[in-house]
Amino acid sequence: NAGVTQTPKFRVLKTGQSMTLLCAQDMNHEYMYWYRQDPGMGLRLIHYSVGEGTTAKGEVPDGYNVSRLKKQNFLLGLESAAPSQTSVYFCASSYPGLAGGHEQFFGPGTRLTVL
Amino acid sequence: AQSVAQPEDQVNVAEGNPLTVKCTYSVSGNPYLFWYVQYPNRGLQFLLKYITGDNLVKGSYGFEAEFNKSQTSFHLKKPSALVSDSALYFCAVRDIRYSTLTFGKGTMLLVSP
Repeated sequence: NAGVTQTPKFRVLKTGQSMTLLCAQDMNHEYMYWYRQDPGMGLRLIHYSVGEGTTAKGEVPDGYNVSRLKKQNFLLGLESAAPSQTSVYFCASSYPGLAGGHEQFFGPGTRLTVL
Repeated sequence: AQSVAQPEDQVNVAEGNPLTVKCTYSVSGNPYLFWYVQYPNRGLQFLLKYITGDNLVKGSYGFEAEFNKSQTSFHLKKPSALVSDSALYFCAVRDIRYSTLTFGKGTMLLVSP
C-alpha cells in the first residue's frame, strides 16, 4: 500500500496563476481532508469530504476549491494564486474504525510558493 | 467550538531523561484526543489517541499520554528520551459532528545527546 500520496511535491507559481493539487489514497477511506501548515500556526483545515461527490468547508476555505469525483482522489484547486497561499499543503484520509476514532493518515505534503 | 492549546513552543531535554509535552483542550462533551509527530520535511504520523477507557494511553515509539478530565489535559510523555525523538509534536481534538480535527500550534521537541 502506498497510503496517501500527493502530487506535486513542490511548485512555484506567479500571482494570479492557477493550479491543482492531487491527493490519492489506496486505503478505501471514506473521509479525506486538505490542510495547510504555516509556521507557528499548526495545521488548519481548508476543505474536507465525507464521501465521493461530497465536500465541505473547513476553517480557511477562501481562495480554494475542491472536488471528490472518485473515492480515492481529492483535488485541491487554486484559481488565482496569491502570495498568502504560500504554504505547505497536506492531504489526509481517515475511516471511523471500531471505536469511531477517525485516525487520520497523512500524505508527505506539497510545498507551494507563490511569487 | 473545540480547541487545543500547546503552551510550549519548544521543549528541551537531555537524552535518557523523561520528557513531557503539554496539551490542554476545550470541548463540549467527551473529548477524542490525538497526538501526532512530524519529522523534518515529512507528513504527520499518528502516535496515539484517547477515546474512552484508561486514562493512560500507550502509543508508538514508547510514547504514552495521560488523560486528565479535571485538568482538561492530555500530556504526552516518554520515560527516557532519544535524540531521534527530536521532532515537531501536535496535539489534536476531534469534532465528533464532522470527524474533523483541530490541531494545536505544535511543540518542537529537542533532545540533546
